[in-house]
Amino acid sequence: NAGVTQTPKFQVLKTGQSMTLQCAQDMNHEYMSWYRQDPGMGLRLIHYSVGAGITDQGEVPNGYNVSRSTTEDFPLRLLSAAPSQTSVYFCASTPGGYEQYFGPGTRLTVT
Amino acid sequence: DAKTTQPPSMDCAEGRAANLPCNHSTISGNEYVYWYRQIHSQGPQYIIHGLKNNETNEMASLIITEDRKSSTLILPHATLRDTAVYYCIATYNNNDMRFGAGTRLTVKP
Repeated sequence: NAGVTQTPKFQVLKTGQSMTLQCAQDMNHEYMSWYRQDPGMGLRLIHYSVGAGITDQGEVPNGYNVSRSTTEDFPLRLLSAAPSQTSVYFCASTPGGYEQYFGPGTRLTVT
Repeated sequence: DAKTTQPPSMDCAEGRAANLPCNHSTISGNEYVYWYRQIHSQGPQYIIHGLKNNETNEMASLIITEDRKSSTLILPHATLRDTAVYYCIATYNNNDMRFGAGTRLTVKP
């Protein structure tokens, strides 16, 4: 199993541009989440999904959209990038038990 | 989620036990205590979790006080590879983890 994969690893955007961060897992996990981590801080939950077709907001959802059309994929869309969205983004999945599996992260810089 | 309080940093000698404290005085009865760690800038890694009883796995032990207001994560024989930020989280919802700043553990030779 590849586990949780994220693409791209690095991305630089200009203010106002849009993009999609990809997240995929091959473990057939129902639950998937997106977090952001700003320098020197812990992770904050952006959006999460409890299964295909079901999503919900986390702690910091503004400026981001998600959808879950398949069990495997959970893309995160930035509608109009802002410098405040410069961060490291982590995707995670869990089978509904206690352990979350995190991806390697996407480092995003918005200029 | 109950608020958790951890010291910002700790040092430990290689080969010795590392004891990382966490205070969660407002924890409710259905909230578990989870521990994760993050090495460098990698994604967090699950370590252990518990509700009331002490727990042990191949990575660590978790000691929860009887009143559940605090807990301690124990790495029995710390190695240099255990240098990381350790997060203590108290939550009933495993899908909505609220990570704080954590404790930066430095294992020294």
